[in-house]
Amino acid sequence: GAVVSQHPSWVICKSGTSVKIECRSLDFQATTMFWYRQFPKQSLMLMATSNEGSKATYEQGVEKDKFLINHASLTLSTLTVTSAHPEDSSFYICSVRTSARGNEQFFGPGTRLTVL
Amino acid sequence: LAKTTQPISMDSYEGQEVNITCSHNNIATNDYITWYQQFPSQGPRFIIQGYKTKVTNEVASLFIPADRKSSTLSLPRVSLSDTAVYYCLVGPPVDSSYKLIFGSGTRLLVRP
Repeated sequence: GAVVSQHPSWVICKSGTSVKIECRSLDFQATTMFWYRQFPKQSLMLMATSNEGSKATYEQGVEKDKFLINHASLTLSTLTVTSAHPEDSSFYICSVRTSARGNEQFFGPGTRLTVL
Repeated sequence: LAKTTQPISMDSYEGQEVNITCSHNNIATNDYITWYQQFPSQGPRFIIQGYKTKVTNEVASLFIPADRKSSTLSLPRVSLSDTAVYYCLVGPPVDSSYKLIFGSGTRLLVRP
């Protein structure tokens, strides 16, 4: 399978600060990147879909001004959690998809965000 | 997207065969069935995908009846390391706008 990396793997921050999470597709150019959030003992919830060079499409109920997504290149997408609060503490997972691989979707290892 | 229903949890013992069934009554003609595995604090990992009948790989088998309204993931001779959450997803992978929407999944616990 394809290699997808996320950085950092975990982060602890103070309430009110902003945190940036990077997602990189290491061995192919991703047509589309996705961001998910997962709370403990719950399933993955799709937050947004990101295409290179265009604005992200957010799922219903996800605040676009709270979760800023930048898809600057075909191999890099970033999620910035702005003015983070304890309720934003979660496991954030990105995934990438490429038409060159039959639209198969590959997931990153996730980033654990803890907001104090 | 077709809604899926899976058991919330299952218990098994090492060496046993585990079958996890997923119901997807509203599956569309272009939809495929895909199973993912997720370990704690990791991203999901693709296990197997199929359209109809039976698919087998080095990890699992996927059985799909003719009406395609359900599917069964079969894990042969499970080990402790197979303890994970297993997700069944249904959708048209050839559609570039397709989004993977995860259901609740099945939490499998393998005991010694």
